[in-house]
Amino acid sequence: DQQVKQNSPSLSVQEGRISILNCDYTNSMFDYFLWYKKYPAEGPTFLISISSIKDKNEDGRFTVFLNKSAKHLSLHIVPSQPGDSAVYFCAASFSGNTGKLIFGQGTTLQVKP
Amino acid sequence: DAGITQSPRHKVTETGTPVTLRCHQTENHRYMYWYRQDPGHGLRLIHYSYGVKDTDKGEVSDGYSVSRSKTEDFLLTLESATSSQTSVYFCAISEAWGEETQYFGPGTRLLVL
Repeated sequence: DQQVKQNSPSLSVQEGRISILNCDYTNSMFDYFLWYKKYPAEGPTFLISISSIKDKNEDGRFTVFLNKSAKHLSLHIVPSQPGDSAVYFCAASFSGNTGKLIFGQGTTLQVKP
Repeated sequence: DAGITQSPRHKVTETGTPVTLRCHQTENHRYMYWYRQDPGHGLRLIHYSYGVKDTDKGEVSDGYSVSRSKTEDFLLTLESATSSQTSVYFCAISEAWGEETQYFGPGTRLLVL
């Protein structure tokens, strides 16, 4: 049972445009969500997070939106840059779970110059 | 970057042989995790540790064991490697659980022939 799903395996956008990566979850107990970026042959690096008490968190070009009623979160990258080309994972956890993260399958973003 | 190293970075082994992967941190973080990354599955938790000598199973723990005798080291052992354990293994650390970011090591690529 995949509790966190990224239904789009890949996404291609033009440099300067907006990239929108989506993530759905099934467990309503999740209360903390994160996005990680991963380049080939490297470990995932933390990008941005959001608590379930918020519906938006912004950090520079990156904004995460959380829609609890729809059990959906999205990552917006504006403007997209070629260096943003990577695999993006969303992850979720809930209090009392010793910090264990449940990851989605990942979405490969390609930003074309 | 969090001080996390993994060794070896690459390993080729044969079915039935024991394999030990090492994760070393210099951050003095309490929590350490082992994940595996496979296409279509994202990252899945194998085992985690919440202190020296305190470990617990994750969602894909069968065939793996762990040990943590020092705060800085977390070992993952495949008692008798199988081809299904061919994967990329990542170690992660966090200072606490709950709304705490996990930081990942560079990964170990394991091929079981």
